[in-house]
Amino acid sequence: QVQLLQSGAEVKKPGASVRVSCKASGYSFTSYGIAWVRQAPGQGLEWMGWITAYNANPNYAQKFQGRLTMTTDTSTTTAYMDLTSLRSDDTAVYYCATDHGYSYAYSSVYWGQGTLVSVSS
Amino acid sequence: DIQMTQSPSSLSASVGDRVTITCRASQSISTYLNWYQQKPGKAPNLLIYAASTLQSGVPSRFSGSGSGTDFTLSISSLQPEDFATYFCQQTYSPPRTFGQGTKVDIK
Repeated sequence: QVQLLQSGAEVKKPGASVRVSCKASGYSFTSYGIAWVRQAPGQGLEWMGWITAYNANPNYAQKFQGRLTMTTDTSTTTAYMDLTSLRSDDTAVYYCATDHGYSYAYSSVYWGQGTLVSVSS
Repeated sequence: DIQMTQSPSSLSASVGDRVTITCRASQSISTYLNWYQQKPGKAPNLLIYAASTLQSGVPSRFSGSGSGTDFTLSISSLQPEDFATYFCQQTYSPPRTFGQGTKVDIK
């Protein structure tokens, strides 16, 4: 079965960087893109961007331009999300999810379990 | 960015009720509209994609409709496991924005 297994919770100080990993299994890794979505405590969902797995082409929400980097490693079927210059309002649960492309209206069927990133001095 | 506005923000309903949630886009998005259900502490779960296509494994009491700027998610007969928060998302153009969510709780 398809699984996305994310790395564990992180506690960071303002100004630091964080890397969240998302290990995919149960499907051909290059068949779907990977989207990243975050959710601040008690808040709604925020789309951060997505990356095609077959050619690692990223697309970032303008809000995160310059701070966000998404990469994939096809040899380990793992996607990575790097966020720099962390602020307290980056405290959130970060999710990776499969992006199923045009035929599925770019919806996300499979999701990771979420990674809590806490930013505090 | 395309703004997505859901209404209501919350509603109380009883088991067996018909529930309708609306989602309005700030510009036309054709049918690039998806609906997700989220329960506390869990990742979202895809219910409907492309405005009206039921995702495999999702009960048929869920349905979606609409195109352009106005969309609805309906639950024909609310079940205990349906008490959750529902989000719409447009995927017409990046950033693929979500609505603010509609929390459905027990009356």
